Amino acid sequence: QSVLTQPPSASGTPGQRVTISCSGSSSNIGTNTVNWYQHLPGTAPKLLVYSNNQRPSGVPDRFSGSKSGTSASLAISGLQSEDEADYYCAAWDDSLNGWLFGGGTKLTVL
Amino acid sequence: QVQLQESGPGLVKPSQTLSLTCSVSGGSFSTGGYYWSWIRHHPGKGLEWIASMYYSGSTYYNPSLKSRLTISVDTSKNQFSLKLISVTAADTAVYYCARGLGYRGYDSGADYWGQGTLVTVSS
Repeated sequence: QSVLTQPPSASGTPGQRVTISCSGSSSNIGTNTVNWYQHLPGTAPKLLVYSNNQRPSGVPDRFSGSKSGTSASLAISGLQSEDEADYYCAAWDDSLNGWLFGGGTKLTVL
Repeated sequence: QVQLQESGPGLVKPSQTLSLTCSVSGGSFSTGGYYWSWIRHHPGKGLEWIASMYYSGSTYYNPSLKSRLTISVDTSKNQFSLKLISVTAADTAVYYCARGLGYRGYDSGADYWGQGTLVTVSS
């Protein structure tokens, strides 16, 4: 079964660096690129990273993405209170011939 | 600045058809070679990809929804639409339209999103 696995929760204090992982398989992350989205329920999701490590214009460089093998990570440095949100990884899956989203990670800024 | 706006009924009865339209402004829908997608967010759960369509018409559907789903495009109106038949309570969600989520990720991600519209399936 094609799945992208994320930890359900993560936390950090202001100024800290936190990392959110996304584990997949050879049919998705192992072969295709990864996007990361920030979502506050009730608002439109926001693209943070595309093509594993590229930031769209306007996204602070505090957000960075990486990929290795069948796993990917989103790092947030200099954590701020406004970073408190749900974070999702996404990748194309060749077996499904479609997109997969991870289950999401709820980030709490303590 | 590209803007997307979903429209459609907020309440659908079980077994009926859910129909939504996404209106695109701020750019020509039929140029640029973009994919256009639908994604939903179930209350208390994660995001779920529904389908993606290239502006010229090739489509990709979530296999779990494919048998009930049709998406189409009207380039003359800068709109694309979603129809989901035989809905149940499990289809209650906030539905988003977005630009991007192309085949095998050969694009720059879903960079523009609509604000989302809540669709409740209930009698």
